[in-house]
Amino acid sequence: EDKVVQSPLSLVVHEGDTVTLNCSYEVTNFRSLLWYKQEKKAPTFLFMLTSSGIEKKSGRLSSILDKKELSSILNITATQTGDSAIYLCAVENSAGNKLTFGGGTRVLVKP
Amino acid sequence: GAVVSQHPSRVICKSGTSVKIECRSLDFQATTMFWYRQFPKQSLMLMATSNEGSKATYEQGVEKDKFLINHASLTLSTLTVTSAHPEDSSFYICSAKKGNQPQHFGDGTRLSIL
Repeated sequence: EDKVVQSPLSLVVHEGDTVTLNCSYEVTNFRSLLWYKQEKKAPTFLFMLTSSGIEKKSGRLSSILDKKELSSILNITATQTGDSAIYLCAVENSAGNKLTFGGGTRVLVKP
Repeated sequence: GAVVSQHPSRVICKSGTSVKIECRSLDFQATTMFWYRQFPKQSLMLMATSNEGSKATYEQGVEKDKFLINHASLTLSTLTVTSAHPEDSSFYICSAKKGNQPQHFGDGTRLSIL
């Protein structure tokens, strides 16, 4: 059975801090790894990673995939209170028809 | 781009009622739509996958007669919770996907059965 594990479960930081979120996976057939941000409603898409070692960047957020280590990290620099959310990591199977989600990391950014 | 609309956002109804939730991809044609359920402080659990014009594929443990899915067009899928009971209360989220693009999610429907 496919498995995605995220760490830490939660963290509290102050504005301006940098956070690093971890995601590790065990899947039978891997296609891509995705990161989502979930606030009060449904998840919003952040990144889709398919190739190892290539960093994807969007503003203060960046992410990279390590297929050898079966893991990914999501970095948020110069955090703001608006970054407070649950960050979800998901792995897509090779058929592209299923996402397996990790349990999420709850990030709280204090002013 | 990639906007998915889900309606209604919240439903409160009596036990035994059937509830229909709609999911629409507004600016793209979705080859596949997905329905998830999320319990408090837990991650998303896939319930079923649907492709336009064909029967939905349900995950193990999900009752297909309880959770009816209709995927009438490339932009619309519906989930009907039949004869809902309090244990069906949850947050239901749909997503839509085109080709190799990532899944994009609707805003979810919070269902409360009294």
